[in-house]
Amino acid sequence: GAGVSQTPSNKVTEKGKYVELRCDPISGHTALYWYRQSLGQGPEFLIYFQGTGAADDSGLPNDRFFAVRPEGSVSTLKIQRTERGDSAVYLCASSLTMGTRDEQYFGPGTRLTVT
Amino acid sequence: LAKTTQPISMDSYEGQEVNITCSHNNIATNDYITWYQQFPSQGPRFIIQGYKTKVTNEVASLFIPADRKSSTLSLPRVSLSDTAVYYCLVSGNTPLVFGKGTRLSVIA
Repeated sequence: GAGVSQTPSNKVTEKGKYVELRCDPISGHTALYWYRQSLGQGPEFLIYFQGTGAADDSGLPNDRFFAVRPEGSVSTLKIQRTERGDSAVYLCASSLTMGTRDEQYFGPGTRLTVT
Repeated sequence: LAKTTQPISMDSYEGQEVNITCSHNNIATNDYITWYQQFPSQGPRFIIQGYKTKVTNEVASLFIPADRKSSTLSLPRVSLSDTAVYYCLVSGNTPLVFGKGTRLSVIA
């Protein structure tokens, strides 16, 4: 079956612009996660959804970052007033149940470059 | 959150068994130990998970001693396609915390 998909695969934007990154999880997966990965580092947790609600958003670095999952499936990560330091690969993952230690299926990521 | 320590990099020849050890001295009672694999330009992929003793699947084995303060991922007879970064994580009911992982290079 289809895995987790993310669009766009690459996004180049100018400093100060607004961007939206989309994640389509595996159908039927309840939990959805966003991570950010910089070069040479492991993925860094941003936010975790159980259904439509954000169960834990403690990883969002500041109020320029926001994510939604209005119907409990597709999620959008929104970044306002982008900065060069936001450049990274943004990964989305989903899991069948709500346990954070459950197997997570990752998408290929969106590479964001802020110039 | 429990922290993990694992080697930054390892090299191995094809056909050898590779063991990657991870230390997690502050693991909590309800934490599980999970390993993920990541290839360049891809998201991480789940390899194996365990709580204690030994777990084996078609890809790897995971050895966990009684005190659970460390764990060892064992990859039998590695091939060039096993070249990747391997992450050790401990997790209970909190979000996953990835370290820098171990970069395994398999040499022909």
